[in-house]
Amino acid sequence: QKEVEQNSGPLSVPEGAIASLNCTYSDRGSQSFFWYRQYSGKSPELIMSIYSNGDKEDGRFTAQLNKASQYVSLLIRDSQPSDSATYLCAAYNNDMRFGAGTRLTVKP
Amino acid sequence: NAGVTQTPKFQVLKTGQSMTLQCAQDMNHNSMYWYRQDPGMGLRLIYYSASEGTTDKGEVPNGYNVSRLNKREFSLRLESAAPSQTSVYFCASSVGGHLNTEAFFGQGTRLTVV
Repeated sequence: QKEVEQNSGPLSVPEGAIASLNCTYSDRGSQSFFWYRQYSGKSPELIMSIYSNGDKEDGRFTAQLNKASQYVSLLIRDSQPSDSATYLCAAYNNDMRFGAGTRLTVKP
Repeated sequence: NAGVTQTPKFQVLKTGQSMTLQCAQDMNHNSMYWYRQDPGMGLRLIYYSASEGTTDKGEVPNGYNVSRLNKREFSLRLESAAPSQTSVYFCASSVGGHLNTEAFFGQGTRLTVV
């Protein structure tokens, strides 16, 4: 079974704080991992992809992957109200499976 | 560059009616997917096509059929719609392969079955 689990939230952080989003996956054959952001009524859009163990940074976003623990995380530094959205974690192994998403609210 | 195009954007069906959701991508991607999204459920995979000529069931295939018409097009058919199929449907495509890159999504189809 290919399952991707996320904390359902909601998660609320003040503006300027660090938001931490977590994800675990069950399929050890998964090779690629993704974080998507989805605004209400819109399609998901890619924020970060990560393939190797360790950290990957892109601006205010850092993705972390630990294949031994089957764990993926996303850190958002200096959170902005515009970051308020649902964040979806995905794992790929011949098909792409998503978690249920974590709703993030950044309060001004 | 259109990316992934889905039609229609909105649809209301009566229970028992059939319909086909169309999806086309112009990025020369190998893999295509159909998801449904219900409140609080994230994206659940209905069917996918890893490459032209192949289709496979995902997490929630019951009540649906798919056709990978060619490399560009991947359609989803509801033979006898049920209220439980009320949802937002997303088509997506990706390069595919061992180290897959991101999936690109269409704008979604909001389907209501009454």
